[in-house]
Amino acid sequence: EPEVTQTPSHQVTQMGQEVILRCVPISNHLYFYWYRQILGQKVEFLVSFYNNEISEKSEIFDDQFSVERPDGSNFTLKIRSTKLEDSAMYFCASRPGLNSYEQYFGPGTRLTVT
Amino acid sequence: AQSVTQPDIHITVSEGASLELRCNYSYGATPYLFWYVQSPGQGLQLLLKYFSGDTLVQGIKGFEAEFKRSQSSFNLRKPSVHWSDAAEYFCAVGAGYSSASKIIFGSGTRLSIRP
Repeated sequence: EPEVTQTPSHQVTQMGQEVILRCVPISNHLYFYWYRQILGQKVEFLVSFYNNEISEKSEIFDDQFSVERPDGSNFTLKIRSTKLEDSAMYFCASRPGLNSYEQYFGPGTRLTVT
Repeated sequence: AQSVTQPDIHITVSEGASLELRCNYSYGATPYLFWYVQSPGQGLQLLLKYFSGDTLVQGIKGFEAEFKRSQSSFNLRKPSVHWSDAAEYFCAVGAGYSSASKIIFGSGTRLSIRP
């Protein structure tokens, strides 16, 4: 069964460094998302992406964040200058198309900022 | 604004007992509703979904949920739990009618199974 994959599974970085989290959505899906889950808290929406542009972003998704679909398979989340409070599990999700609203999540990347 | 409330933070049930996890949502129109499960250190797996039609929906792993519009609820049930059901369960609502609707999650209910 097709699944969303994410790399790396765990990333440790120093405050102020740039990180890129990578995702390979399910093939032929059209909508892509990033969510994050700070330890012990609920899963929060960050950004949605469709047709090579951002559809919606939350207030968390400030100028330090960016997303890109550099080719036909990868979907990346970049944090330009990480802060301690960026430490969280980051989930990528994809959705088939207009008439399918369920989102399929990857296993997540645990980001630890020291 | 759309929101999801899961009033139970932690529930413990005995193996073989029935289970009901509560979920209430706040949404101005017909919602798209989901239950996801997260095992320790794992991602989010879709258990079931409701978009329209029959208000009792069946999911994977023997779970079902019932949509009750009058109570704004979407409770998850299982007739007999197994030790492998121990996990965190998230109720969620699809927010907005834009084509790229985000999902809003509840705070989760942690399920423990008593042997």
